[in-house]
Amino acid sequence: QQKVQQSPESLSVPEGGMASFNCTSSDRNFQYFWWYRQHSGEGPKALMSIFSDGDKKEGRFTAHLNKASLHVSLHIRDSQPSDSALYFCAASDPRGSALGRLHFGAGTQLIVIP
Amino acid sequence: GPKVLQIPSHQIIDMGQMVTLNCDPVSNHLYFYWYKQILGQQMEFLVNFYNGKVMEKSKLFKDQFSVERPDGSYFTLKIQPTALEDSAVYFCASSLQYTLYFGEGSRLIVV
Repeated sequence: QQKVQQSPESLSVPEGGMASFNCTSSDRNFQYFWWYRQHSGEGPKALMSIFSDGDKKEGRFTAHLNKASLHVSLHIRDSQPSDSALYFCAASDPRGSALGRLHFGAGTQLIVIP
Repeated sequence: GPKVLQIPSHQIIDMGQMVTLNCDPVSNHLYFYWYKQILGQQMEFLVNFYNGKVMEKSKLFKDQFSVERPDGSYFTLKIQPTALEDSAVYFCASSLQYTLYFGEGSRLIVV
């Protein structure tokens, strides 16, 4: 059973639009969350981390975490064609050596249409 | 940003042979990891490594797998012998604290 579930599987938005991604964890020990982006043929790159309840904003990217429901979301405003990529949610148990063991979701493929 | 380098970028190997994947982590990072990704799907944790020791490994980290970082050189993943199901992209990552930085991956094809 996957411990990190992402939706939707794929998403198309027009250039300048808003892209929204959802992620839910089934393990209550997962308290730290990241969003990673992977362009085709490259390694994943960390976009944002979020460890506390509420919103975290960095430029065009906003993440929201609700620890009670184990739900985290990512919103990209003013989407650009260069944002087209695979977006992964990753979660971690912050206790001891488990902190670095990221559990990834299956990813959401974003296509931004010019 | 911080760069993790991986060598080779891709390799084709006969089943049963040994392969070594090399990783040059970010210079001041202390924690090192290997992840496996099949066909652009989700990343699966294999192992993490700190202070010369394996900290944690997953069920995917079979007995045929081993990791080491001798004297601060490359952090390596060795598979001996390889099996067909080992075909995947292997990503090395390193971290100082919480956020992992990934390399570009080593695509392994076992035939």
